[in-house]
Amino acid sequence: DTGVSQNPRHKITKRGQNVTFRCDPISEHNRLYWYRQTLGQGPEFLTYFQNEAQLEKSRLLSDRFSAERPKGSFSTLEIQRTEQGDSAMYLCASSFLAGTGFYYGYTFGSGTRLTVV
Amino acid sequence: DQQVKQNSPSLSVQEGRISILNCDYTNSMFDYFLWYKKYPAEGPTFLISISSIKDKNEDGRFTVFLNKSAKHLSLHIVPSQPGDSAVYFCAASARGNYQLIWGAGTKLIIKP
Repeated sequence: DTGVSQNPRHKITKRGQNVTFRCDPISEHNRLYWYRQTLGQGPEFLTYFQNEAQLEKSRLLSDRFSAERPKGSFSTLEIQRTEQGDSAMYLCASSFLAGTGFYYGYTFGSGTRLTVV
Repeated sequence: DQQVKQNSPSLSVQEGRISILNCDYTNSMFDYFLWYKKYPAEGPTFLISISSIKDKNEDGRFTVFLNKSAKHLSLHIVPSQPGDSAVYFCAASARGNYQLIWGAGTKLIIKP
């Protein structure tokens, strides 16, 4: 297993265009998370999936953002009608939630850096 | 309201000396704490964690100390090496919760 994989690594898009990012988690992990990080800040939670179910969405995730995790494997994050304020590093992470309530192996991908011009 | 605070934006330490990075939290429900290291243009990499039932956890050159009464944790790196230069993030969670709450990070610079 090569860890959490995110594609593309970098994306430059014009304002108003749609973009889609992909995340492939560690195969045995049942939870997948999306975070956004801007310069000088820690990652901010966007949404997460337990298997294929999207269980929580942050208020940071406007209607222009949608995430899916079909079949509980890879996930996609789509941003419609991008704005300059969407420029950030988008991080995906996965973990395994144990019956104890703790999760293990909370592992991040290398992120997708989005620049909206 | 920042629930996890790293009050030092940057820290400069001589190679071979001890680096001490600090983190404070406000939510008493937090019971699991993690430190991550991040290089530019890469995702955070897990370093070490500690659960609230412990007050110390060691892994090689890295030791994390937890003071629950003060709601404070610290990461000690000894001896510091040039490859340790990175941004270090403290993160916290409550049992069963789905997300980590992150500090803003401390940039550690190791001087030769």
